[in-house]
Amino acid sequence: QSVLTQPPSVSEAPRQRVTISCSGSSSNIGNNAVNWYQQLPGKAPKLLIYYDDLLPSGVSDRFSGSKSGTSASLAISGLQSEDEADYYCAAWDDSLNGRVFGGGTKLTVL
Amino acid sequence: EVQLLESGGGLVQPGGSLRLSCAASGFTFSSYAMSWVRQAPGKGLEWVSAISGSGGSTYYADSVKGRFTISRDNSKNTLYLQMNSLRAEDTAVYYCAKDQAGIVVVPAAPWDYWGQGTLVTVSS
Repeated sequence: QSVLTQPPSVSEAPRQRVTISCSGSSSNIGNNAVNWYQQLPGKAPKLLIYYDDLLPSGVSDRFSGSKSGTSASLAISGLQSEDEADYYCAAWDDSLNGRVFGGGTKLTVL
Repeated sequence: EVQLLESGGGLVQPGGSLRLSCAASGFTFSSYAMSWVRQAPGKGLEWVSAISGSGGSTYYADSVKGRFTISRDNSKNTLYLQMNSLRAEDTAVYYCAKDQAGIVVVPAAPWDYWGQGTLVTVSS
């Protein structure tokens, strides 16, 4: 059972927009920044969004992040087949004194 | 170009030990905190441990506290994870990852570079 809660899977058609949620508590998302990682099949994770809504250099602006209270969201617009991957949210947890992840969300582009 | 190359994985019996290494290049290694993150087969990511750039501060997940030890040799640009009293549930791909923020382990800091991982299998 992961500390942060994500939907196990989402799917959407090409060129559409999808949102992936990440729910936590006051000890993690409510008090600390959220980072998002993309893991393509068989590959290492890659930083996608950091400090809630910042885009690393080289990451497409089709990806965006937001946070409100104890929940965060990752939005992907203009879906492409190459976006099929697992997506993970992560944050520091003040109670556990460590970094925690969501269980991951598998995105399928129909 | 930043590169992180893990090694040292393999098959080990329950109760055994293993030491993982992560050779870093392309950045000033001593200026950045580093972490280990693992992923059990078919499962999600789990943070394992973090260490400051100087090596003076270390952090562990409860699941490995007292069994695993993170360390670094800045003269060799290498990060280590000594794993003792291994259990079946420690079976995973272990990734080393570079903190973006700098020398101190900043709680909210993201990992901006990851290695390709090394597989550890704990089985009799």
